[in-house]
Amino acid sequence: KAGVTQTPRYLIKTRGQQVTLSCSPISGHRSVSWYQQTPGQGLQFLFEYFSETQRNKGNFPGRFSGRQFSNSRSEMNVSTLELGDSALYLCASSLARQGNEQFFGPGTRLTVL
Amino acid sequence: QKEVEQNSGPLSVPEGAIASLNCTYSDRGSQSFFWYRQYSGKSPELIMSIYSNGDKEDGRFTAQLNKASQYVSLLIRDSQPSDSATYLCAVYTGNQFYFGTGTSLTVIP
Repeated sequence: KAGVTQTPRYLIKTRGQQVTLSCSPISGHRSVSWYQQTPGQGLQFLFEYFSETQRNKGNFPGRFSGRQFSNSRSEMNVSTLELGDSALYLCASSLARQGNEQFFGPGTRLTVL
Repeated sequence: QKEVEQNSGPLSVPEGAIASLNCTYSDRGSQSFFWYRQYSGKSPELIMSIYSNGDKEDGRFTAQLNKASQYVSLLIRDSQPSDSATYLCAVYTGNQFYFGTGTSLTVIP
């Protein structure tokens, strides 16, 4: 069974730009969560989508948004990029039930200059 | 107070020894508990999940959960150099997952 895939793997943007990241979950998984990982803060929860609806949201500003499509694929968008947005963005997929095991994709490394 | 606390290490053990990794959490209502391994430059990889008090064994790995003490641990028996990585503890509180900042483990050949 194929794992979680994320595209692109690397991105370089400048301040003020916006970016869209994509995640395809494991086949059959309907929940997709997004995380930001930085050396100082560790893994921080952004949001979770299930059946095209945002089920939970972390404590990030509104510049961070996401959506999920009917095939469970998800996108995350960050507008008006700031230097502090430089991080590894990880997508994790899980079966429908909340609290289930999550499986991470390889991540997208975003660098904001 | 952080939701999930781990000793950042580094923790060094000789090859063949038992590595013991610990994690405490603050939310008494937490429901699910997980250990992930993350190699440098890679994404986290799930190695164990535990949902009820007691021990759960999977190969060389044993997860231990004590909800009364709000404590989760991971034991790695017969440690191998390939176990050298950062180990992340994750807790599901009913709303979201919280991750510790990880414990760096080095297994010395």
